[in-house]
Amino acid sequence: QITLKESGPTLVKPTQTLTLTCTFSGFSLSTSGVGVGWIRQPPEKALQWLALFYWDDDKRYSPSLKSRLTITKDTSKNQVVLTMTNMDPVDTATYYCVLARRRASCSGGRCYYFEYWGQGTLVTVSS
Amino acid sequence: QSVLTQPPSASGTPGQRVTISCSGSTSNIGRETVIWYQQLPGTAPKLLIYNDNQRPTGVPDRFSGSKSGTSASLAISGLRSEDEADYYCSTWGDSLNGWVFGGGTKLTVL
Repeated sequence: QITLKESGPTLVKPTQTLTLTCTFSGFSLSTSGVGVGWIRQPPEKALQWLALFYWDDDKRYSPSLKSRLTITKDTSKNQVVLTMTNMDPVDTATYYCVLARRRASCSGGRCYYFEYWGQGTLVTVSS
Repeated sequence: QSVLTQPPSASGTPGQRVTISCSGSTSNIGRETVIWYQQLPGTAPKLLIYNDNQRPTGVPDRFSGSKSGTSASLAISGLRSEDEADYYCSTWGDSLNGWVFGGGTKLTVL
């Protein structure tokens, strides 16, 4: 059974750095064609992809947020960590951890879809 | 402003067939496969359709996806009350070098 669970602060102050941890089970991030990433959703708004850590240790970031994001993995703990610097109230959102799967007959970082989602964690940015 | 354009709302009565559209461009839908996600109220999104028209195990065949040119559609037949949810289309955006989403369509079962 595949599970992903997000953890981290529920409230951060403007200019602070957010650190979110995704703890997963039921699959290995070393398996070819797999990735673990982050997607967020501001209240009552649409989804926004943030970052993806691939099975081969490649990483990809949303160009609009790339300067603020870092994604890392801890293989021994089955965890992927996202840090986002210089938080602002507009970053208030539910942050989801996702398992990405590469579709058949396709090669390259773009060939993935988000197969499983964590329950999400609401992060509020306010002083 | 979302890269992919969806109608904000759709509705139907039980048993009806409804379709939700997703409009993009040659730099996204026009060259990449489309994915659909279903988000039931108060829950995380769930994968509904991938590779334009493939259903993951467990998704009923009442849900189907199609694509033509730079647009895609999600069709739901035999509408049920539990289908009431937000539906999002997504794909890879070449010009943005990342995954892009539509603004979502809120489906109401009357």
